[in-house]
Amino acid sequence: ETGVTQTPRHLVMGMTNKKSLKCEQHLGHNAMYWYKQSAKKPLELMFVYNFKEQTENNSVPSRFSPECPNSSHLFLHLHTLQPEDSALYLCASSTPQTGVSYNEQFFGPGTRLTVL
Amino acid sequence: AQSVTQPDIHITVSEGASLELRCNYSYGATPYLFWYVQSPGQGLQLLLKYFSGDTLVQGIKGFEAEFKRSQSSFNLRKPSVHWSDAAEYFCAVGNRDDKIIFGKGTRLHILP
Repeated sequence: ETGVTQTPRHLVMGMTNKKSLKCEQHLGHNAMYWYKQSAKKPLELMFVYNFKEQTENNSVPSRFSPECPNSSHLFLHLHTLQPEDSALYLCASSTPQTGVSYNEQFFGPGTRLTVL
Repeated sequence: AQSVTQPDIHITVSEGASLELRCNYSYGATPYLFWYVQSPGQGLQLLLKYFSGDTLVQGIKGFEAEFKRSQSSFNLRKPSVHWSDAAEYFCAVGNRDDKIIFGKGTRLHILP
């Protein structure tokens, strides 16, 4: 499989559940990102990992917990979510920015999350 | 602070007509600029990007964009749209520390 894949594509969960979203990239990149896309809002950056180290946490509530075991895999662990957390969660990857050149991000298809 | 404004939430054009989607940005230095497209149920796909050099940038699917520093704009154009171009289009500005700021998007509708 090529590109950036995300599983599951759809997820419905209750507020007391614990679930995880998975992202895998087959592009040889070393930077990975989680974004949240809500209706009528701009795409919001949540987390950034470079070479498995978290370099950005954009004031995300602790009920979202990222994990990056290696440069190809990224997880988002979810627990005690709220209905307003319902959104499309997008994963992206890139080669890390060097300060000299900028490399575009490649996105996965997203996981549509519904919190009941 | 960086910001991106896409003033049109929805745009409707007839198939075969020309298209221009507007994007204005706010950024203190020379920006890195992008246009992405998102089809229903899909992630974002890069159409084109501007880092430096020629201010008219060619992208995939027959799209182009022009960087105008004096107007802080990076408008997306296509001379003749196809029904398959119906999607949501996002303008974005990046800096040198891995962050991209996205606009709210413009949804393009195509009339047969």
